[in-house]
Formats: sequence, structure tokens, C-alpha cells
Amino acid sequence: DVKVTQSSRYLVKRTGEKVFLECVQDMDHENMFWYRQDPGLGLRLIYFSYDVKMKEKGDIPEGYSVSREKKERFSLILESASTNQTSMYLCASSSPSTENEQYFGPGTRLTVT
Amino acid sequence: AQSVSQHNHHVILSEAASLELGCNYSYGGTVNLFWYVQYPGQHLQLLLKYFSGDPLVKGIKGFEAEFIKSKFSFNLRKPSVQWSDTAEYFCAVNLGAAGNKLTFGGGTRVLVKP
Repeated sequence: DVKVTQSSRYLVKRTGEKVFLECVQDMDHENMFWYRQDPGLGLRLIYFSYDVKMKEKGDIPEGYSVSREKKERFSLILESASTNQTSMYLCASSSPSTENEQYFGPGTRLTVT
Repeated sequence: AQSVSQHNHHVILSEAASLELGCNYSYGGTVNLFWYVQYPGQHLQLLLKYFSGDPLVKGIKGFEAEFIKSKFSFNLRKPSVQWSDTAEYFCAVNLGAAGNKLTFGGGTRVLVKP
């Protein structure tokens, strides 16, 4: 079974703090994704990566950055957290060998106060 | 840019009722289509997918979906729901072999009353 893990289930941070969200997958997938999930808006893609050290902006990259130094790990960084970044953050991975079906982690619920 | 719309944000029904959730997408080329489900407190997981072939796709837990290319639709159905089907359902689309990104619909929260 594919396993995607995220470093925290719940996180509370203050406005202006730098926040790191970590995601690790154990299936040697090439592609990794970060989404945020908000009620009524579904999942919106923040960034994705199709290879180590490669990254592409998704639909809502503003206020975020990412890092992929190793194939199995994809980090989402909030340089200066703001209250409008309070959300559920989901990580996913996929591979062309699995027809790009995405496998999701459990999510991190981030609250910025 | 492709977009995905789900017609209902909330659906409430009783056990044994039939369920149909609408999904429409806006892209004229080859697409791969997915339905994901998120049960309360659980991971998002794949319910079913369509890549090619028979447009009627069967998934887990008695769900099925029909791809109607002329209508750009991929509606999800279940003939008789159970309380355990209470969840949020998401339709998603990617651009076939050319793409590895998914575009998600806004989700439909389904509440099945016992």
C-alpha cells in the first residue's frame, strides 16, 4: 500500500511565523503535490513537483514556497503565516506508472492566530 | 484552463435511497476522471476512475459513475445508500496522458440519515 505521511495533524501558529509542513511518501513516486482544502472550494493546488529539485506553481502559490531535496520528501513553507492561510493542507503523490492516480496523506489542519 | 463543477454542495438523504452526484468539466480534449471520497476524519481515497473503454465504471462500495463525453459529465451513483456513506465526495479531472495535475470540484457533502 502506498503511504503518504504528513508531519503534523494539527498545528497552531502565530501571524508572521515561518511554518514548515512536511510530507513523505514511500512508493518512489515521481510527482508530489500540495493542496489546501477549504469548505465549498474543494482542493486547490498550491505547488507540485515532478522530480527532485523541480517545482511548478499550481493555482494558488502566493504566500507559499516548496522544497524537494529528496524524491520521497516534499515540504511546504509559509514564509510569513497569515490568518487567511488557516486551512487544511493535503499532500499527495502519484506516478505515471500508476496512471497518475494520486494518493493522499491525512492532512494537516493549520490554524494561524 | 480546465474547471470542474459539482452541482450540489450538500445532499441529505435516508438510508436505502438512491444517490446521484453531478460532475461536469470544461475541457475538450482527452481526460482522465476520478471520484474521491473523504469519510469523516479519514484520508481522501479513490472511489473510482475512468481512463478509457466502457464509460460505465464501477468502483468500491457499490458506487458507479458514467462518463458521457457529449455532456462533459461524470456523474456518480449508488442505488441504495447506507449510513456509512456519509462523507464528502470530490470529482477530479486531469488532462489524460499529457498531465499529472488534478483539478478538483468543490465537493459535495452527503449526509445519510439512519
